[in-house]
Amino acid sequence: RKEVEQDPGPFNVPEGATVAFNCTYSNSASQSFFWYRQDCRKEPKLLMSVYSSGNEDGRFTAQLNRASQYISLLIRDSKLSDSATYLCVVNLGNRKLIWGLGTSLAVNP
Amino acid sequence: GAVVSQHPSRVICKSGTSVKIECRSLDFQATTMFWYRQFPKQSLMLMATSNEGSKATYEQGVEKDKFLINHASLTLSTLTVTSAHPEDSSFYICSASKPHSGTGVDGYTFGSGTRLTVV
Repeated sequence: RKEVEQDPGPFNVPEGATVAFNCTYSNSASQSFFWYRQDCRKEPKLLMSVYSSGNEDGRFTAQLNRASQYISLLIRDSKLSDSATYLCVVNLGNRKLIWGLGTSLAVNP
Repeated sequence: GAVVSQHPSRVICKSGTSVKIECRSLDFQATTMFWYRQFPKQSLMLMATSNEGSKATYEQGVEKDKFLINHASLTLSTLTVTSAHPEDSSFYICSASKPHSGTGVDGYTFGSGTRLTVV
């Protein structure tokens, strides 16, 4: 089993759609969780951290379920500029980040 | 905010030659830097962790004699790909960790990456 698994994708959605990405992690001792965004041939950029209480940043909402070892990202009112690969990232507490394979999102006009 | 500069952004080299990639923290002192490699349609894979003034810690399967890491100062880490082969062609990204930054949002800053093509 991979340490971090994500929806295989790709997701193709129209502008304005709501899209959800899922991620599961295998190490119950994982301490912190993030969603990163990576554009083609660019470095990953932090989108948001993920907390058990859930957190929202504009059109983006992240959720963490420690019992199920499950992380989600919800994007509302998708924009063309949201097209990218979304990476689920887990920190084991030793500053070592474990990266998911990423889910590709294409928002179409 | 924290900035990490990585150079070169793109390099093409001949098989058998060596390539050096630099990663500099511009406005903070990075005690720890991470080197990742990303093949097309793959996730980022940690290659090694370098701590200033000490030897790098390599991940399983990464040849330390092939991927030489030097972290001689708090603002500079270098990765040298020695005797490069076409299969070393990849996207290499560094990440710097600020001291005492814990594992929070501000803990990691990424360089812009280096696309290496070995011909």
